[in-house]
Amino acid sequence: DAGVIQSPRHEVTEMGQEVTLRCKPISGHDYLFWYRQTMMRGLELLIYFNNNVPIDDSGMPEDRFSAKMPNASFSTLKIQPSEPRDSAVYFCASSPTSVPTDTQYFGPGTRLTVL
Amino acid sequence: AQSVTQLGSHVSVSEGALVLLRCNYSSSVPPYLFWYVQYPNQGLQLLLKYTTGATLVKGINGFEAEFKKSETSFHLTKPSAHMSDAAEYFCAVTPYSSASKIIFGSGTRLSIRP
Repeated sequence: DAGVIQSPRHEVTEMGQEVTLRCKPISGHDYLFWYRQTMMRGLELLIYFNNNVPIDDSGMPEDRFSAKMPNASFSTLKIQPSEPRDSAVYFCASSPTSVPTDTQYFGPGTRLTVL
Repeated sequence: AQSVTQLGSHVSVSEGALVLLRCNYSSSVPPYLFWYVQYPNQGLQLLLKYTTGATLVKGINGFEAEFKKSETSFHLTKPSAHMSDAAEYFCAVTPYSSASKIIFGSGTRLSIRP
């Protein structure tokens, strides 16, 4: 299996622009997670889905952030409008069943820089 | 609320020396505990996890960790460090009652001296 696929790997944009990050989970995995990693705040869970349904979005920082999972093989995290403080590495992860019963598999991340 | 504290943001050891990375947790219910490793420019990879049963857990790459309830600790060890062990290590916790929401520690960067 190819593992969790994220695109783009790097994104540089200007403040105010819309940014869309994409994730393809491992086939057959029912859970999908979005994380953000920064030096100041470490690794934070933003939102997770079970069978394409958002279960917990309490980590989403504000209304500028939105996430969707239109089908079992694709998810997006959108930031509109983007701000410099959104600069971070965003990880997508998937797991076959719920954690901790099963293991989360992380993608390589998208490094976002907002100028 | 659950949390983990990793003592030491940076640990440096010589190749062949013992590796000890410290983690203390706080949980009002029995926890599940994890150690993840992150190599440069990569996502996190599970090293090992404690759920129930044996308190000494063995993971990949020769690492192991011991769950000590009385000390609320889950320290990670490896008898002999290898240059390839240089990476960032994260301790994490999730309570039995809240599946899927993992709380990560701030991470410890491990450097290996030749």
